[in-house]
Amino acid sequence: SYELTQPPSVSVSPGQTASITCSGDKLGDKYVSWYQQKPGQSPVLVIYEDNRRPSGIPERFSGSTSGNTATLTISGTQPLDEADYYCQAWDSRTAVFGGGTKLTVL
Amino acid sequence: QVQLVESGGDLVKPGGSLRLSCAASGFTFNDYYVGWIRQAPGKGLEWISYISSSGGAMYYADSVKGRFSISRDNTKKSVDLQMNSLGPEDTGIYYCARDYDSSGYDAFDVWGQGTMVTVSS
Repeated sequence: SYELTQPPSVSVSPGQTASITCSGDKLGDKYVSWYQQKPGQSPVLVIYEDNRRPSGIPERFSGSTSGNTATLTISGTQPLDEADYYCQAWDSRTAVFGGGTKLTVL
Repeated sequence: QVQLVESGGDLVKPGGSLRLSCAASGFTFNDYYVGWIRQAPGKGLEWISYISSSGGAMYYADSVKGRFSISRDNTKKSVDLQMNSLGPEDTGIYYCARDYDSSGYDAFDVWGQGTMVTVSS
């Protein structure tokens, strides 16, 4: 079965840039979405179709892909960005989520 | 406003059954694919099922195939998930989510608040 791999944790200082990676076989051939989930809340879509931002999502969130790796970048990270982040893609009519990355802002 | 509301979560014994519902409002329901995603306590997101806008195509994760069944009623703007032969590994929060693209197989842009399923004796 298809797998997406994310680092379990990423730390960043306030105001700095955070990068969260997601890797998978031939991931560059698929659209990647990213979700933010804060404790006790439902996931929120922050990036779709690799690099598109839904309305209401701050411009500091951006996405990119290169080869088999997709990257979520948060520029000027704020304390309120501390959350779990999940990548997601489709493979053979099956949605696959990465294991999630806990972003710590300290 | 655009909204999905899940219901039906409960405490159930191993081997038991449960039916979850997802009620939609604020958008043209029959234009969108809908999925169910679950999250075990302290764990990540796991996609489990998906249904096309017409209800003619249904997909399942291997972990639930043969035990779970998804259906929808576009007149009632709802999607149901029938869960049979439940085991402790099915414990978690169950979310329904709308696919952003009316053609499907894209991102989940609207999520419900989730409903808790606990499988325990």
